[in-house]
Amino acid sequence: DIQMTQSPSSLSASVGDTVTITCRASQGISNYLAWFQQKPGKAPKSLIYAASSLQRGAPSKFSGRGSGTDFTLTISSLQPEDFAIYYCQQYYTYPYTFGQGTTVEIK
Amino acid sequence: EVQLLESGGGSLQPGRSLRLSCTASGFNFNDYAFSWVRQAPGKGLEWVGLIRSKYYGGAPIYAASMKGRFTISRDDSKSIVYLQMNSLNTEDTGVYYCARDIVVPGATYNYFMDVWGKGTTVTVSS
Repeated sequence: DIQMTQSPSSLSASVGDTVTITCRASQGISNYLAWFQQKPGKAPKSLIYAASSLQRGAPSKFSGRGSGTDFTLTISSLQPEDFAIYYCQQYYTYPYTFGQGTTVEIK
Repeated sequence: EVQLLESGGGSLQPGRSLRLSCTASGFNFNDYAFSWVRQAPGKGLEWVGLIRSKYYGGAPIYAASMKGRFTISRDDSKSIVYLQMNSLNTEDTGVYYCARDIVVPGATYNYFMDVWGKGTTVTVSS
């Protein structure tokens, strides 16, 4: 199975900050990488697919980059509603696998 | 409005079976694949498996740890995806989500999720 490793596991940031989360795959996955946001007690929400394409309805403050094994999710101008857990997921090969999640907390 | 609604969750003892349903509305169900994803309490997301659209053969694919105990099926006439779970154990406790899958253009086996349901809770305990 492909292992997805996110860093950091958690971070603290202030409203208005820009933050970047990293996701590394244990082998190359081309650009078959998605990002999701999950708030406590809620279902995940799709943000990014194909490493850098914004899902319909996702705010443009979210941007993704990368290819191969290294990927990033950048959230610009953090707002209170952005504090959540973020997951990456590869869909290059079965079984699809998720990163362990990165918690973005309010400083 | 595109919606997915899971149902069928509940509390049950180890060894029992349960069937979850995911009812879709607001789009052409037949055109899409669907995934099941679960989340144990306080843990991350775990992909359970997916079922392709009939256009791509309609075959289900499973994570290795689920294969043999879990079965994904679909009823296109009712716009419902099912997850049949057998021989449940305490490690199967969690929230089960279904998600709509979009096939990667030019690829037969690669899908990314776009819309998620709200989830249904399964609790396995003696």
